[in-house]
Amino acid sequence: DIQMTQSPPSLSASLGDKVTITCQASQNINKYIAWYQQKPGKAPGLLIHYTSTLVSGIPSRFSGSGSGRDYSFSISNVESEDIASYYCLQYDNSPRTFGGGTKLELK
Amino acid sequence: EVQLVETGGGLVQPGRSLKLSCVASGFTFNNYWMSWTRQAPGKGLEWVASITNSGGSTYYPDSVKGRFTISRDNAQNTLYLQMNSLRSEDTATYYCTRDESYFDYWGQGVMVTVSS
Repeated sequence: DIQMTQSPPSLSASLGDKVTITCQASQNINKYIAWYQQKPGKAPGLLIHYTSTLVSGIPSRFSGSGSGRDYSFSISNVESEDIASYYCLQYDNSPRTFGGGTKLELK
Repeated sequence: EVQLVETGGGLVQPGRSLKLSCVASGFTFNNYWMSWTRQAPGKGLEWVASITNSGGSTYYPDSVKGRFTISRDNAQNTLYLQMNSLRSEDTATYYCTRDESYFDYWGQGVMVTVSS
């Protein structure tokens, strides 16, 4: 199974900051990574797939990049509505596996 | 608008069975693979089962293989998850997801608690 090591587990940011979350795969995942946002008590929502393809309707302050084993997800100009947990998912190989999550909080 | 609505959760004793259902709307159900993904309380996400659009093939991780069965009724736009021999570690919120390799739409989730 491919292990997805996501960091940091938690992150504190001020409104307007840029934050970055990373996921490292245990092997090359050929850019097949998606990113999700989950607010408390809600289902995850898809933000990005295939490393950097933004889902329709998602603000452009969200972005993704990477290749091989190393991927990152960024939010520029953090807004209060971005306070949530974020997860990466690799879908290059079965079983599909998620990162452990990053909880974004307001400083 | 894509909608996925899960039902069937609840409290069940270890070793017993439970069947979840998910009614889909807003898209052509029989064109898509479908999956179940779960999240234990306060924990991360785990893929649980997938089924091809025709229902002809199914896939599971080792953690549930032989105990869980995914199925679908394309005439009723409904996805199922039959869970047998339930264990305490199966306690989680179970989400029905549309499967495009990544999971692009999620239901609101249904809670399953396995406890005596």
